[in-house]
Amino acid sequence: DAGITQSPRHKVTETGTPVTLRCHQTENHRYMYWYRQDPGHGLRLIHYSYGVKDTDKGEVSDGYSVSRSKTEDFLLTLESATSSQTSVYFCAIRPPSGGDTQYFGPGTRLTVL
Amino acid sequence: QQQVKQSPQSLIVQKGGIPIINCAYENTAFDYFPWYQQFPGKGPALLIAIRPDVSEKKEGRFTISFNKSAKQFSLHIMDSQPGDSATYFCAASNSGATNKLIFGTGTLLAVQP
Repeated sequence: DAGITQSPRHKVTETGTPVTLRCHQTENHRYMYWYRQDPGHGLRLIHYSYGVKDTDKGEVSDGYSVSRSKTEDFLLTLESATSSQTSVYFCAIRPPSGGDTQYFGPGTRLTVL
Repeated sequence: QQQVKQSPQSLIVQKGGIPIINCAYENTAFDYFPWYQQFPGKGPALLIAIRPDVSEKKEGRFTISFNKSAKQFSLHIMDSQPGDSATYFCAASNSGATNKLIFGTGTLLAVQP
């Protein structure tokens, strides 16, 4: 998984609770991405980061926020989880030596009841 | 204009057959087209990628065909094996600083022994 770990790997939570997912990389790559995967939709970009404290929105950013205070960690926060945010969340990194290639982590399965 | 349309949704072939998965895009600014393979419970893994300056690229049993004028690209798997059974995603991006990938909706491939 390209030196990427995601935690937790599984989480069940209730509607209205805050949730934070963590992506950790060991190679200090500049670019990191958060995607969600849902049946019939493929993977959709939520937010991405191009450096410490440098982040921007993707196509499905509503209801999500991110933070990157260290190069190796990219956090995705659901301030108040909703059932529509039940999904599998993937983090990806883009090494500078790989051109445009993105490498994905193992994913976090989140269920919001 | 940001969509990538992928077909078929699912595909069953016999061992040794040549499954073909098709993708079409609208945004003529896209210039990077990767294919990802995903096994259940795992993150997507890069399989092969192409840029629009070539019409075909082969890596082992996997071939991408690219038709710039039609804005279409396809994945062919030669001599398919049961181990190729997975979900395949095409994607596209305007390469560069942020490289935000737009994914197709995925094709579930089953290769029967």
